[in-house]
Amino acid sequence: AQRVTQPEKLLSVFKGAPVELKCNYSYSGSPELFWYVQYSRQRLQLLLRHISRESIKGFTADLNKGETSFHLKKPFAQEEDSAMYYCALRDSGAGSYQLTFGKGTKLSVIP
Amino acid sequence: DGGITQSPKYLFRKEGQNVTLSCEQNLNHDAMYWYRQDPGQGLRLIYYSQIVNDFQKGDIAEGYSVSREKKESFPLTVTSAQKNPTAFYLCASSTTLNQPQHFGDGTRLSIL
Repeated sequence: AQRVTQPEKLLSVFKGAPVELKCNYSYSGSPELFWYVQYSRQRLQLLLRHISRESIKGFTADLNKGETSFHLKKPFAQEEDSAMYYCALRDSGAGSYQLTFGKGTKLSVIP
Repeated sequence: DGGITQSPKYLFRKEGQNVTLSCEQNLNHDAMYWYRQDPGQGLRLIYYSQIVNDFQKGDIAEGYSVSREKKESFPLTVTSAQKNPTAFYLCASSTTLNQPQHFGDGTRLSIL
């Protein structure tokens, strides 16, 4: 069964410091990986997906199949980055298209 | 901003009663989903629907039921068989099953 692990429940960093939110997955097929974000009093929304290979709000994430990881990174944290971040995996090969979410990491950027 | 509307935001029910949560979307999306979120947990899929008049069980469908009679609506009924119904429920939709999902604001259900 597919599984997504976010080892940190809470991550606190100072403004301007680099950020890395960890995500590891276990899956034997062809996964699609996503990062979703929920800002305070806002809806859960898609931040980025690995197949896009884009940078959103300064965040990037690289799929490392060897390490089965999809860590989210930003070189300089901003206060507005404080939010709840969820890593998610979708089975793109079996046709079910179900998303499996990690438990989330709360990022707190200290001014 | 439109999109997906879940109502009500907070819902209280007595133990043993069925309760229905509403989810409406005006995005013309074919696929819709229901997730449950518990404190310290990720989202877990309850049911999903690929198209009107079709729906499939997710990982935790026991004690829940859904219908998809209209494209824009995907109501979730929490039945009295659901052993621990108090939770935060999120509805989502996407153009098709393999496209990014858009989420509603959620409904917090409390069983008294």
